[in-house]
Order: sequence, then C-alpha cells, then structure tokens
Amino acid sequence: KNQVEQSPQSLIILEGKNCTLQCNYTVSPFSNLRWYKQDTGRGPVSLTIMTFSENTKSNGRYTATLDADTKQSSLHITASQLSDSASYICVVSGDDTGGFKTIFGAGTRLFVKA
Amino acid sequence: EAEVAQSPRYKITEKSQAVAFWCDPISGHATLYWYRQILGQGPELLVQFQDESVVDDSQLPKDRFSAERLKGVDSTLKIQPAELGDSAMYLCASSLRGVAGVPKTQYFGPGTRLLVL
Repeated sequence: KNQVEQSPQSLIILEGKNCTLQCNYTVSPFSNLRWYKQDTGRGPVSLTIMTFSENTKSNGRYTATLDADTKQSSLHITASQLSDSASYICVVSGDDTGGFKTIFGAGTRLFVKA
Repeated sequence: EAEVAQSPRYKITEKSQAVAFWCDPISGHATLYWYRQILGQGPELLVQFQDESVVDDSQLPKDRFSAERLKGVDSTLKIQPAELGDSAMYLCASSLRGVAGVPKTQYFGPGTRLLVL
C-alpha cells in the first residue's frame, strides 16, 4: 500500500472556482509535508512545506492544511486560473523501515476550464 | 534565481543502446537526487547523493543503471542497455544538506524525457 495517497486522481473545475485536493499518509513518525505543482513536461515546483507543529501554510491563492493526528493534509486553491492546470503532488518525509525517507504521492491532475 | 540544469531535455533512443543524462544542481546544494517519473505517477527515487557519496540507491536497477557524482557537483545517470520500459521522465533535484536527518526542500530541474523505441 502506498504510504501517501492522494485524491481525487483528477479534477475538472471552471475558472474562478475554488477546489480542495486531499492527501492521506501513513508515514510515522512524520517530519514534514510538502505540496508541489508540476506543469506538464516540467519538474515539480514547491508550493508549501509544513512541519509537525504547523496547521496551515499559505502561498498566494494556495493554502495547505495539516492534521498530524489524522495524518491528513489538504491543498485549497482559491479563485482558480487557467494556469493552475497541472498535477499537484503531496510529498511526505519521515521515518520508514530502514531510515528517513521522502515519499511522493501519485498526484492529483487538475484541469481548469474557461 | 538559481535553477537545477538538466540535459538533454528530450532523448529518443533504440532499445539496447546506451543513454546518459546530465544534471547540474544549484550551487552549494550538497544533496542531489535522481528520480524516474512514469506518466501519470509520482516521481520514484533512483539514487541520492550526499556530496560525492551515494546514500541511497536501493531502487536503482543496478544491472543497467549507473550514477556518479565524481566531484560532488554535477552528476550523470547512465542506462545501458536501454529497454522499452525505461521510457519516462528522468528528474534531477538538489537540496541543501539536511540537519539531523531532516531533509531540506528539493528543487527540481526540468527533466529529461526519454523515449525508447
């Protein structure tokens, strides 16, 4: 079972609307969680990074939340733009059998329509 | 703003041929990563360097893949011989040295898209 699960797998929204992407993880103990945006054919770009003690982190129209008790994170995008069309990847770092690991989710593919 | 450089951006090769990718990390970043990303999936770590030393290559198919970072700066990833299933995006990332085992934010290059025919 993947230790970082993202949902939905893909999402289509209209320009100007808000949306929320989910990330559930089982990595424990947990160190930090990051959200990346990956445009088609490009490398991922970091949006937010949160440690165990942080509940929320914003970067412009992107707001990430973290509930370390339930091991859930969400990325909320406000007033979506066409340029938000991309894959959003949740990345969790923490302890795993064999040492410290960074584990990538499969991503949520977001399509913003005009 | 400093960026991770990768070349080539695209590579088409025939199976059984050798192929090599190059990565130049952000200056001062001690840690360098090579990832493989199959279309529709998240990146999968192939190898991680700390300076010139390999710290994790547990997912690297060592029968055909090799990676080096001889002077602790730029790095090369090689595949020989290439197979059809190697078609993917190969991403390089770098980060500052982590403290007490806690990794720092990774900065990714644009990737090399490989197509094996």
